[in-house]
Amino acid sequence: NAGVTQTPKFQVLKTGQSMTLQCAQDMNHEYMSWYRQDPGMGLRLIHYSVGAGITDQGEVPNGYNVSRSTTEDFPLRLLSAAPSQTSVYFCASSYVGQVGNSPLHFGNGTRLTVT
Amino acid sequence: EDKVVQSPLSLVVHEGDTVTLNCSYEVTNFRSLLWYKQEKKAPTFLFMLTSSGIEKKSGRLSSILDKKELSSILNITATQTGDSAIYLCAVVEGNEKLTFGTGTRLTIIP
Repeated sequence: NAGVTQTPKFQVLKTGQSMTLQCAQDMNHEYMSWYRQDPGMGLRLIHYSVGAGITDQGEVPNGYNVSRSTTEDFPLRLLSAAPSQTSVYFCASSYVGQVGNSPLHFGNGTRLTVT
Repeated sequence: EDKVVQSPLSLVVHEGDTVTLNCSYEVTNFRSLLWYKQEKKAPTFLFMLTSSGIEKKSGRLSSILDKKELSSILNITATQTGDSAIYLCAVVEGNEKLTFGTGTRLTIIP
């Protein structure tokens, strides 16, 4: 019973490098989302998707790209990492239509440091 | 722009005290409000509120939504050190967009 799996758990990048944070869920959830959490802060929505082929921007989308080619996977791409992107990233999923009716399922987070 | 604001940002109380955490929101098409508790890792779900004026309770925790005032409160009575955490509220809109608030960091002193 895997739930939401995020990889890697930790990552250190140099400024300007690119990388992809992976998120996969095995619950057949249509809704998937990415959040970032800075120290002592709440979660800020980066991008979300309500199904394969559909993505939308959240509060802080700049510097991040997403795509949703399958129901299971929702990768988050940093094209040119900046120190301001140092944060903990959470992926979360749910059934469409259930996002407000049931709790989100969260991954365990990826701690990213950009030097 | 949609906003979810929590207050206070930080709160330090003694064990046994009662605390009230606030969440106010401005969103286009409100559907529900959720409360989460976050300790070391990912947030864990506490309550979901959709109807105004109906209190949800779980042990020492309770929460109520006021749609007229666009706000919600989370009460914790007889606080314990295990209640120390960041408390997050989140608002869901009709398009499935879920926006979290700024969070309240609660510290309970033994």
